[in-house]
Amino acid sequence: DQQVKQNSPSLSVQEGRISILNCDYTNSMFDYFLWYKKYPAEGPTFLISISSIKDKNEDGRFTVFLNKSAKHLSLHIVPSQPGDSAVYFCAASDQYQGAQKLVFGQGTRLTINP
Amino acid sequence: EAGVVQSPRYKIIEKKQPVAFWCNPISGHNTLYWYRQNLGQGPELLIRYENEEAVDDSQLPKDRFSAERLKGVDSTLKIQPAELGDSAVYLCASSPGVETQYFGPGTRLLVL
Repeated sequence: DQQVKQNSPSLSVQEGRISILNCDYTNSMFDYFLWYKKYPAEGPTFLISISSIKDKNEDGRFTVFLNKSAKHLSLHIVPSQPGDSAVYFCAASDQYQGAQKLVFGQGTRLTINP
Repeated sequence: EAGVVQSPRYKIIEKKQPVAFWCNPISGHNTLYWYRQNLGQGPELLIRYENEEAVDDSQLPKDRFSAERLKGVDSTLKIQPAELGDSAVYLCASSPGVETQYFGPGTRLLVL
């Protein structure tokens, strides 16, 4: 039972263009969402989060959008840079647990082409 | 500030052998997590500690896996005996609270 799904295993984007990574969830109890970025041979690093009281959160080039009715969130990276090439994981939890009880998606490998 | 330290980084063992992984969390972080990440999947929580207490071990296969966090700092995760399906990356993470988790580089285990 995959409660958090990232249906695109990989994505390739031209440098300078927008990268859009998608994530769907099934558990209606989830109301806190995070994105992590992972380089090879390193652990995941926190990127950005959003709680269900918002539908958008922005941090520099990274913006996360949340559509609660569709149980869908997306991460936008604008403009994409070669250093953004990594695996991106979507994770979900509930507000009570915060980031202490995370359910991760399978990840999407993003490749930024020069 | 030093990050989460894990050792060893790589381990190759034969099935039925025991193996242990060590984690040193970020100083001052009371919460420590162990995850398993299978190839092509996201991390899955095995156990979470608050100081010395294991507060969530519902996903830990207790027949062969054990963990301890003596003195509420370093932690060890053990598998005995290892099976072929245990081949994965074992990640340790720590957090100061509920905001986010900080991950170590992981231990890549290969069971032959």
